[in-house]
Amino acid sequence: GESVGLHLPTLSVQEGDNSIINCAYSNSASDYFIWYKQESGKGPQFIIDIRSNMDKRQGQRVTVLLNKTVKHLSLQIAATQPGDSAVYFCAEDDNFNKFYFGSGTKLNVKP
Amino acid sequence: KAGVTQTPRYLIKTRGQQVTLSCSPISGHRSVSWYQQTPGQGLQFLFEYFSETQRNKGNFPGRFSGRQFSNSRSEMNVSTLELGDSALYLCASSLYGSSSEQYFGPGTRLTVT
Repeated sequence: GESVGLHLPTLSVQEGDNSIINCAYSNSASDYFIWYKQESGKGPQFIIDIRSNMDKRQGQRVTVLLNKTVKHLSLQIAATQPGDSAVYFCAEDDNFNKFYFGSGTKLNVKP
Repeated sequence: KAGVTQTPRYLIKTRGQQVTLSCSPISGHRSVSWYQQTPGQGLQFLFEYFSETQRNKGNFPGRFSGRQFSNSRSEMNVSTLELGDSALYLCASSLYGSSSEQYFGPGTRLTVT
């Protein structure tokens, strides 16, 4: 699909396993972060967000962890399903109305 | 509630031409941001409009411009198209812009030949 780059890191997991997708962000002043899922031929879809005053936030089957010390963000998907196969992006808000996106990780769920 | 819509979905243009893309945000959202997505560069921020004013701009040449109307609908224009402008152009809307959830449209696939 349009979102897949030539050298996107790929994470392959078995259906039913948990997935962890990692992201390093660059700006220590960023205070808001979003994870997006992009399927082939579609725009990015909002999954979950977290603000810098939190270090963990849970949604339905998803958890985002934020480590501000090392500027690291992770997305955990529980009981991964084939429908979770997509490219996942993290985005950081630099607090000046700009979002910066990571290069993305392709998640491949094997049945 | 209807999502973000973008028109057209696909477009083919020739080098040197200009193009206008349209985005209708989610009802009630006042912020519209535009992004360019390519395999080599990923998602890159173009600009953001809020209440008809451009609040921020990314690192793109002046050939890329935009505007927002009083109903929050937004257009972006690219003049003097180059081959490298071929990309998926995505529009995202949010209530306030910074620090609020952004929702993306399906994108407009622009091919420049």
